Parts: sequence; structure tokens; C-alpha cells
Amino acid sequence: SQTIHQWPATLVQPVGSPLSLECTVEGTSNPNLYWYRQAAGRGLQLLFYSVGIGQISSEVPQNLSASRPQDRQFILSSKKLLLSDSGFYLCAWRPNRGPYEQYFGPGTRLTVT
Amino acid sequence: AQSVTQLGSHVSVSEGALVLLRCNYSSSVPPYLFWYVQYPNQGLQLLLKYTTGATLVKGINGFEAEFKKSETSFHLTKPSAHMSDAAEYFCAVSESAGNQFYFGTGTSLTVIP
Repeated sequence: SQTIHQWPATLVQPVGSPLSLECTVEGTSNPNLYWYRQAAGRGLQLLFYSVGIGQISSEVPQNLSASRPQDRQFILSSKKLLLSDSGFYLCAWRPNRGPYEQYFGPGTRLTVT
Repeated sequence: AQSVTQLGSHVSVSEGALVLLRCNYSSSVPPYLFWYVQYPNQGLQLLLKYTTGATLVKGINGFEAEFKKSETSFHLTKPSAHMSDAAEYFCAVSESAGNQFYFGTGTSLTVIP
């Protein structure tokens, strides 16, 4: 069966510090991968998605970036965090064929102080 | 372009009462439709989905939804609310050949004892 991992689960970082959040998927190959952000009391904002290694689509211009160095690894990064980067970050995957749903990871709670 | 509208950001029902969460979508092609549930500080979990075939779909935890093409709706219902149903619910739409999901802004369900 497939599983998706995210770490860390929680993170408190000062403004201006770098960020690296990691997401890995097990039990599947060549998945579509997604990064979402949820601000407090709000819906899901799609940040990035990837259909293959090195293929990243950005949905929202910001100080965040994403990379996919391996087939089942998706990394969200920032060189300098802003207060507005605080939120709940969710990684998701989806098979690259068929009418399939997205499967979500447990999320990372990021607080920028 | 696709979009999802969830009417009512907050819904309160009494325990044992009918749950009705509304979702309307716009899509230029036949859509795939999904309902997800999110408990506090957790990822999203799929409740049910419609892709093709029977327009009334049943999901987990006693929930069901009906795809009505003429009304561009996919409302979520449960005959009798339980305290454990208190959560955030998201409706989502995806094109058959697309990579992206489009999520509604969510509905917070409160169940009153």
C-alpha cells in the first residue's frame, strides 16, 4: 500500500531564516506531487505541483520554491521566511493516470516568529 | 477554468439531525468530484468521489453525495449527525485529463449535543 510522509510535523522559525520541508511517498512510482498551504481558518492554496523529476509548476509567486530531486521526494524551501509564511503545509500525491483522488500527508505546522 | 463554491463556511446541526453541506462547481468538461474531511491539525481524508456512472455515491462514515449535472452541484449529506462528524469539509473538482484539483474554501461542521 502507499503511504506519504511529511517532516517535520511542527516547526517554529524566526523571520529571515531558511526553510526546508520534505515529503516522501512510498509504494508507488511516478506520482503527481503537490504542495498546499492552509492559513488559519482558510482553505487550501495550491503552491506547487510536479508531474515528474525536475518538473515543477508554480501556482503562486512568492518567496517559496519547490524541488523534486527524486521520483517520490518533494521538497519545499525558502531562503528567507516571512511572517506571512506561517500556516499548515500539506503535501499530496496522485497517480499520474486515471480519475484518482489526491492522498494527503499529515501536514507540517509552520510558525514564523 | 474550473472552480468550486461551498455555500456556508459554518454549519451547525444537532446530534441526530440531517447534515447537508453544499457544493457547486463550474467546469467546461465532465468533472471528477470529491469530498474530503479534515480534523484539526491533520491532513485531508477522502470521504467519497464521483467519476462516472451512478450519480449517487456513498462514502465512508455514512456520508453520501449526489452529482446533479443540471444543477452543477455535488452536495454532501448524512441522515444523522454524530459528534465525531465535527470537522472541516472540502469539496474539490478535477478535470479528467488535468493534473490539478480545485478546492472549495471549506465548510466547518459543528455538531451540537
